[in-house]
Formats: sequence, structure tokens, C-alpha cells
Amino acid sequence: QVQLQQWGAGLLKPSETLSLTCAVYGATFSGYEWRWIWIRQPPGKGLEWIGETNHRGSSNYNPSFKTRVSISIDTSKNQFSLQLRSMTAADTAVYYCARGRVGEATFWWHFYGLDVWGQGTTVTVSS
Amino acid sequence: EIVLTQSPGTLSLSPGERATLSCRASQSVTKNCLAWYQHKPGQAPRLLIHGTSSRATGIPDRFSGSGSGTDFTLTISRLEPEDFAVYYCQQYGRSPPTTFGGGTKVEIK
Repeated sequence: QVQLQQWGAGLLKPSETLSLTCAVYGATFSGYEWRWIWIRQPPGKGLEWIGETNHRGSSNYNPSFKTRVSISIDTSKNQFSLQLRSMTAADTAVYYCARGRVGEATFWWHFYGLDVWGQGTTVTVSS
Repeated sequence: EIVLTQSPGTLSLSPGERATLSCRASQSVTKNCLAWYQHKPGQAPRLLIHGTSSRATGIPDRFSGSGSGTDFTLTISRLEPEDFAVYYCQQYGRSPPTTFGGGTKVEIK
């Protein structure tokens, strides 16, 4: 059974950098079909995609975060990580890691959904 | 960026009733790109439906999805007590970004 376990600091001061890591158990990063994703949910709001990476370490980011976010992968440890710089109170949220699966061919694309999620990390930014 | 608008914001229903949730996209979404999730407080979201109408592993058949183009629907045929939660739609195409709808809360009437 595939599991994602995430960890990182839960209390930050403004301007600090958020660092979260997500470990993958029961699966590997290899395979073009997997996407390793970070999502957050601010208090009282909906889900927001932060960005994602694949097994080659190729990443895509939400334009809203693009200048201060980076997502990396460590295949030797079966982990992927999120760094979000210059945190403010507006970044207070529950952060999730998740696995996505896609199917792709020249003229065909299928998104199989985000089928495995981490447990979530509550991150509070306060002075 | 494709904006997904979910309605209603809140649905007040009784156990046993039918729930119909709407997800409208700002531009056409390929059916293969639309998914639905259930989210309960203190838990991670749970994948219900992918490809507009395919149930994820272990999802009971009272959950069904339909739609095309810009209009998609999640239907819960008969609400069970454990179905009261927030539901999100998501589109994920070849080109990022992926986006989520704002959510519909299904609450007990």
C-alpha cells in the first residue's frame, strides 16, 4: 500500500522559508506517469495547487508562487520536498503532499486523480 | 488558467436524499481531465472520481460523475451519514496549472 508521510516546521516567522519533505513508501518515483504534488488549504478556504515535480525532477509551479517556490526530488531517499521563501501570514495553511497519475500518448491524455495524500502539515506564520 | 466554479456553496440535505453538485469551467475541459474529491475536517482529501465518471478504487457506486465541455456534475444517489463533507472538483490537463473549484459543503439538514 502506497503511503506518503510528510514533515517540517509548523511555526514560522514572517520572511522565513518553509521547508517540507514528503516520503514515499510502497512506491518509487520511476515512471513517467507519476506526479509528485504540493497543495495547500488556507483556513476557511479551498484547495490550492502550489506545484509539482516528476521522476526526472522537472517541475511546474503555480504562477502565484513562481518566484519564491521550489520543489525538488531525492530519488535515493524516495522523498520530495517543498521550499517556499519569504513566508507571510497569508501563507498560513495546511500543506499537503500528494501523488498524481497521468496517462499520456501523442493524441491522448488522462488524469487519474490524486490518489494518495500525505497527512497534512499545519503551518502558521506569525511574529 | 481554467477557473472552476462550484455550486451551490452549501447543500443542506437529509440522509437518504440525493445530492447533485455542479462544477462549471471557464473554458472547455476534456472529460479525461476532470476529477472529484471528498474532504472531511482533519483528514486529507479523498479521490472519488477521475475522468469525469470513473470511480476511484473502493468508492461506492452511490457516487457518480457526469458532464462534458464546461459543465460537470457529481451525484450522490442516497446520502449516507459519512458523506457529509466538502467536495471539490479539479481539472488537470496537459498544460499547467491544474485548478480546483471552491468546494461545495454537503451538510445535514
